Amino acid sequence: EVQLVESGGGLVQPGGSLRLSCAASGFTFSDHYMDWVRQAPGKGLEWVGRTRKKVNSYTTEYAASVKGRFTISRDDSKNSLYLQMNSLKTEDTAVYYCARVAESESYSFDYWGQGTLVTVS
Amino acid sequence: DIQMTQSPTSLSASVGDRVTITCRASQGIRNDLGWYQQKPGKAPKRLIYAASSLQSGVPSRFSGSGSGTEFTLTISSLQPEDFATYYCLQHNSYPLTFGGGTKVEIK
Repeated sequence: EVQLVESGGGLVQPGGSLRLSCAASGFTFSDHYMDWVRQAPGKGLEWVGRTRKKVNSYTTEYAASVKGRFTISRDDSKNSLYLQMNSLKTEDTAVYYCARVAESESYSFDYWGQGTLVTVS
Repeated sequence: DIQMTQSPTSLSASVGDRVTITCRASQGIRNDLGWYQQKPGKAPKRLIYAASSLQSGVPSRFSGSGSGTEFTLTISSLQPEDFATYYCLQHNSYPLTFGGGTKVEIK
């Protein structure tokens, strides 16, 4: 069974840093692009960024709102995805989800984690 | 950036009703669009990918159509468990962008 479990959320002051993790199981993690998506309280979904696979040199993409402040990385040996968040702003307050990308299914998100809440205050 | 305009933002419907939700892209995205359902306090769940392909395990009352700039999610006969918020997502180009969401409420 595919599982994605986020952790690392919490309360942080503006200007601070936080590192989120997403532990993957039930599939070959290294075979998949992985994304982060966030949702501010009471708001819609916002794409944060992506990491590609080793064969794609682990290249990344980011939303403009986080570029230069957030860094996505992965450790295929640990089946883990990370989101390093620096220079946090109050508007970064959100539930952060990791999502698996299904390349063979139009690069859509076929599995999501349960989310972890980040509060910047 | 590609803007995804989703409509309506909310709707009230009764069990058994046919419901249609639309997403319009600001530029052509082929069929690079998915539909997701989200219930309060839960992660989104994929319903449709590649604009019209039904996710395995999703009831056949859900269907998607469209290509280019206009896309539709249809629920043929609304069931109690379908009351939720629905989002479209384009993954044709970066940054990926979601529609604003449609909240489907009980009439």
